[in-house]
Amino acid sequence: GAVVSQHPSWVICKSGTSVKIECRSLDFQATTMFWYRQFPKQSLMLMATSNEGSKATYEQGVEKDKFLINHASLTLSTLTVTSAHPEDSSFYICSAWGLAVGDEQFFGPGTRLTVL
Amino acid sequence: AQSVTQPDIHITVSEGASLELRCNYSYGATPYLFWYVQSPGQGLQLLLKYFSGDTLVQGIKGFEAEFKRSQSSFNLRKPSVHWSDAAEYFCAVDAGSNYKLTFGKGTLLTVNP
Repeated sequence: GAVVSQHPSWVICKSGTSVKIECRSLDFQATTMFWYRQFPKQSLMLMATSNEGSKATYEQGVEKDKFLINHASLTLSTLTVTSAHPEDSSFYICSAWGLAVGDEQFFGPGTRLTVL
Repeated sequence: AQSVTQPDIHITVSEGASLELRCNYSYGATPYLFWYVQSPGQGLQLLLKYFSGDTLVQGIKGFEAEFKRSQSSFNLRKPSVHWSDAAEYFCAVDAGSNYKLTFGKGTLLTVNP
């Protein structure tokens, strides 16, 4: 199957700082990338959908000014958590879809964010 | 809006025993249905999917799932569980909204030797 990577795999930051998480499709062009958030013992909650070259579409209740998403190329999307606070600590997962991979989206391994 | 319910938070089975993980969905029509497995340090891996046609779907690693429209269910089964199957399993639905998935809360599977 197709491969999606995330970097970093874990990050610890101080409250008030910003953190950028990268999501890359390694062997296919990802027209669409999705960002999810997963709390411990909870489901994955879709945060936003990003299409290459377009503004991201955020789900209801997700602050677009806090979670900045950029999908500038067909292989890279970034999620920036701005002015992070302890309540932003979570597991962030991206997935990617492209025409070449058919009707399946492929998931990255996730990024564990801890805000002190 | 669609929703997905996985009633079992944690299931423990012995190696070699059969397994069934339950999934119920709420949606007006038949959505696309998926089962994923999540292992520590790994991305979610697709086990199988149902779009239409034969309601018994075969997947990877010996898993199968059956779509039952009358029960709005898509239960995952495996006849003989291996220790390597220990992981978290998620059921998900796509209600035709451009690959946007709604996930259940997951079922953690523990396999005893």
